[in-house]
Order: sequence, then C-alpha cells, then structure tokens
Amino acid sequence: KAGVTQTPRYLIKTRGQQVTLSCSPISGHRSVSWYQQTPGQGLQFLFEYFSETQRNKGNFPGRFSGRQFSNSRSEMNVSTLELGDSALYLCASSSGQVTGELFFGEGSRLTVL
Amino acid sequence: DAKTTQPTSMDCAEGRAANLPCNHSTISGNEYVYWYRQIHSQGPQYIIHGLKNNETNEMASLIITEDRKSSTLILPHATLRDTAVYYCIVRVGGSQGNLIFGKGTKLSVKP
Repeated sequence: KAGVTQTPRYLIKTRGQQVTLSCSPISGHRSVSWYQQTPGQGLQFLFEYFSETQRNKGNFPGRFSGRQFSNSRSEMNVSTLELGDSALYLCASSSGQVTGELFFGEGSRLTVL
Repeated sequence: DAKTTQPTSMDCAEGRAANLPCNHSTISGNEYVYWYRQIHSQGPQYIIHGLKNNETNEMASLIITEDRKSSTLILPHATLRDTAVYYCIVRVGGSQGNLIFGKGTKLSVKP
C-alpha cells in the first residue's frame, strides 16, 4: 500500500512569510503526527491529530499550527517565519491502536532566508 | 515517559551482528520499548518493539532484560545499508504519536 506522502518536498521562504505543508497518511490510518528535525535539536514532536482532533501538542510557539481533515489528511502551518524555522518537517501516520508503530514520510525541507 | 541512554556511536563489520544497547532504568510496567532508525535524509523507520518478552521480526531481534531496565537491539547480519542513527524510545502503550526521540546511536557498518 502507498506510504505517507508529504508535499512539497523542498521549499524556500523568506522571513515573515507563512508556509503550509501537507501530509497524506497511509490509507486507513487515523493518527497523524508532525515532527521538526534540525541539526541542533534533533527530532522534536510538534503535534498529533486523531480523527480531526488535536490529541497531543509539543512545546512549540503558537506560530505552529495544524489541522486534520475528515479523510485523515493533515496540514501544518507556520506563520511569521523565522530563520530558526529552517528544518526538515516530518509527518508520521499510525493506526492509533495501542502499540501501533509510526510510519514516517520523507519530509518537507524548509529553508527560511 | 522514561528516559533512555544510548552510546553516541558504534562501528560494526559488514556481515557481523550489530548489538545496540539501551538503558532505561526508570521504565514503568506499562511502558514499551520501541526502536526506530533513520538513514541519512530519510524519515525514521520503525524496527521493532516489545514489552517484556524478547521479540524478533524480519529486520531485527529485541532482547529485554528480566528487570526491564535495559535492552539490546540485534541486527543479525549487518550490511552497509544498515548504517543509520538508531533510536531507542520508551513509551506508554496507547497513542504513539508523540514519541520523544533522544540523540540515538550512530551505527557505522564498515566493509
């Protein structure tokens, strides 16, 4: 079956702009999580959505937001971009079951100039 | 979630078994041990998980000590493609969305 699809794969923005990233989970998966990966901080959890509801949230400012649609596809938005937002943004889907493992996409690499 | 401690890096000869240790001395009775790996510039990949019994799948084996305070991930015949950062994560069963990734172990498989 198809894996987790993230779009766009690469993008360049300037400070102050906003960006929207998209994630299509594996068919049948209802949980979508977002992570930010930078060389300095490693992989950090942003938020998780399950059945259109935010179920968990990491320690990121309110500029980072997300949503999930009825078909389980998810988007995350970063407003008022800062240089430090340059990172690989990873999306992961899961069945949401007790020990359901995460399946990650290839990520969206954001560069903020 | 309990914290984990892993060596920063390890080397392994191609074709030999790679044994990656993980300490999780504060693990609770309902916390699972998960292993993921990340090959350069790719998203992390699930490897295996366990609660108290040893587990084996097509990728690896997971050995958990009887007191559950440590575990070892075993790649039985390491190949160059197994070169990656390996993350050991302890997590309560339930929502797996918000995994806490540490620094992991950088495994280098050498010819």
